[in-house]
Amino acid sequence: AQSVTQLGSHVSVSEGALVLLRCNYSSSVPPYLFWYVQYPNQGLQLLLKYTSAATLVKGINGFEAEFKKSETSFHLTKPSAHMSDAAEYFCAVSRPNRDDKIIFGKGTRLHILP
Amino acid sequence: GAVVSQHPSWVICKSGTSVKIECRSLDFQATTMFWYRQFPKQSLMLMATSNEGSKATYEQGVEKDKFLINHASLTLSTLTVTSAHPEDSSFYICSANYQPGRVNEQFFGPGTRLTVL
Repeated sequence: AQSVTQLGSHVSVSEGALVLLRCNYSSSVPPYLFWYVQYPNQGLQLLLKYTSAATLVKGINGFEAEFKKSETSFHLTKPSAHMSDAAEYFCAVSRPNRDDKIIFGKGTRLHILP
Repeated sequence: GAVVSQHPSWVICKSGTSVKIECRSLDFQATTMFWYRQFPKQSLMLMATSNEGSKATYEQGVEKDKFLINHASLTLSTLTVTSAHPEDSSFYICSANYQPGRVNEQFFGPGTRLTVL
């Protein structure tokens, strides 16, 4: 079975500081991995995805993530936080060419301090 | 880009009534759509996979008779919450695959907030 674990349900960073949101995955086959962002009362927006190509993935809004197989990790980073980054972030995993299901982590609420 | 819409965006109903939520892919055809529910401050839980022209596949623990899913066309899937009760109050989100097997092309709708009184 596949799963993702997000470390920290809440993360607070100062505006301009580095953002680091942690995600570890478990999968019996090489996975696809995703980061989504959700603003209050809205759906999900894809930030970036890893689909077995380059291990360093760049996404929208200045976010990037690195797939590390040895650590089974896919942490999300952004060099400099903006107030507009405050939202809920979900790491997710799926099995390519299987049933297309996406399994979500529990989410991390990112707070930006002025 | 691919757009998925949901209607209504929010609904309030009385206990015991049924509520239908629509999920539409606006500019592409989706042979597979997914339905999720999200409780406040929690993650998305996959409820079922909806395949055009066939029966939906429900996740373990999801009541088929409670949550009726119909995928009558390549652009429309509906979720009907039958005999709704307050515990069914939640945020329901659908997603659609642009092409089968290309999970990296899955697009999400904006969600429907259901409140059962």
